[in-house]
Amino acid sequence: DTEVTQTPKHLVMGMTNKKSLKCEQHMGHRAMYWYKQKAKKPPELMLVYSYEKLSINESVPSRFSPECPNSSLLNLHLHALQPEDSALYLCASSSSSGGYQETQYFGPGTRLLVL
Amino acid sequence: AQSVTQLGSHVSVSEGALVLLRCNYSSSVPPYLFWYVQYPNQGLQLLLKYTSAATLVKGINDFEAEFKKSETSFHLTKPSAHMSDAAEYFCAVSAPRGNEKLTFGTGTRLTIIP
Repeated sequence: DTEVTQTPKHLVMGMTNKKSLKCEQHMGHRAMYWYKQKAKKPPELMLVYSYEKLSINESVPSRFSPECPNSSLLNLHLHALQPEDSALYLCASSSSSGGYQETQYFGPGTRLLVL
Repeated sequence: AQSVTQLGSHVSVSEGALVLLRCNYSSSVPPYLFWYVQYPNQGLQLLLKYTSAATLVKGINDFEAEFKKSETSFHLTKPSAHMSDAAEYFCAVSAPRGNEKLTFGTGTRLTIIP
């Protein structure tokens, strides 16, 4: 059983839709992450939320909008996505500030297809 | 900035044979090194982590890795491959005074031959 849960497991959406990816961690961690993984590639960091501070990779387009309702939830709101946004989206968490020494624990991912 | 190189995008071994997946790192300061496994259509699962406490690190499912500073390597091994080991394996590095984020290698797909 994973202690980082993600819903939905699969998502198909059109380019005009608005949807959300949800991530919840059950370990009392203080840092959470979203990664994007294309087929046969390693995960790419999109953003980090740690101690109420959000750090977004400058390459992430504004059609991805993170929301952190509380310290155990990190949602990703999607709007006007493009087909190239189709990928596996992975959520992860780590214990403290997101520092280099921390282990990141990953959820099972959401497979997103944009038509 | 730190980086990792995984030699061999595909590795095939026979069931029961030794598994060796190669990872070389680059870091100007002592790094933390990780091996993750990803089964098809799943997230990443931590196999093991090097934190400088010991150069030989034992992980789950009989995997282990040895940190060799002189070779800047952190190769993953398992004495006897099982069919269930078929997956994608990622080596990753993080280090202070860089961006402190986890940097992944390009991955190695392990195939087990019955």
